Amino acid sequence: NAGVMQNPRHLVRRRGQEARLRCSPMKGHSHVYWYRQLPEEGLKFMVYLQKENIIDESGMPKERFSAEFPKEGPSILRIQQVVRGDSAAYFCASSQSSSAGGGNEQFFGPGTRLTVL
Amino acid sequence: GQSLEQPSEVTAVEGAIVQINCTYQTSGFYGLSWYQQHDGGAPTFLSYNALDGLEETGRFSSFLSRSDSYGYLLLQELQMKDSASYFCAGGSQGNLIFGKGTKLSVKP
Repeated sequence: NAGVMQNPRHLVRRRGQEARLRCSPMKGHSHVYWYRQLPEEGLKFMVYLQKENIIDESGMPKERFSAEFPKEGPSILRIQQVVRGDSAAYFCASSQSSSAGGGNEQFFGPGTRLTVL
Repeated sequence: GQSLEQPSEVTAVEGAIVQINCTYQTSGFYGLSWYQQHDGGAPTFLSYNALDGLEETGRFSSFLSRSDSYGYLLLQELQMKDSASYFCAGGSQGNLIFGKGTKLSVKP
């Protein structure tokens, strides 16, 4: 049973370009979460999605960032017109049902390291 | 506001016991989770406390006191491979808030 898969593992973009990060949850999981982690920092919640629905996007910047989890295919985190401050590790996690404040374990992918030049 | 506070670094020797504390302020708080993350790796789930008291899983135990808004992770018989960052996390529904992490260094 494959775990959470993310690609690419490393992504380099120049300022102003677009970054697309993909996440395939574990088999049987319909809940997906995106987090951002800066060096030596904790994980910062960005967005929580179920299939075709955004449940909580309270951690998403209002501009340039968007996320989707279509009926078919992986979840996508999209960052438009990237800036140097977007450089970070972006982790995706999935769970079988709502995380319920941590009661249902979230399984994390290996992350995508985004570097903006 | 929602926040979790934990020490930034802890150092201990192999075979010792270490306790990593976490104090929190989260609204609609369900319980306290702990995650481990090795350098360059993905966070992995260690434990979850929904109720007050101690939960034991092998060498690791986790404790929660809701009245004190406080919990801790206890690691026994430390091994070199336990060197990693440890995060407490809490929240409601799907929105998990993570602490900034405690970097544990285990020395021989």
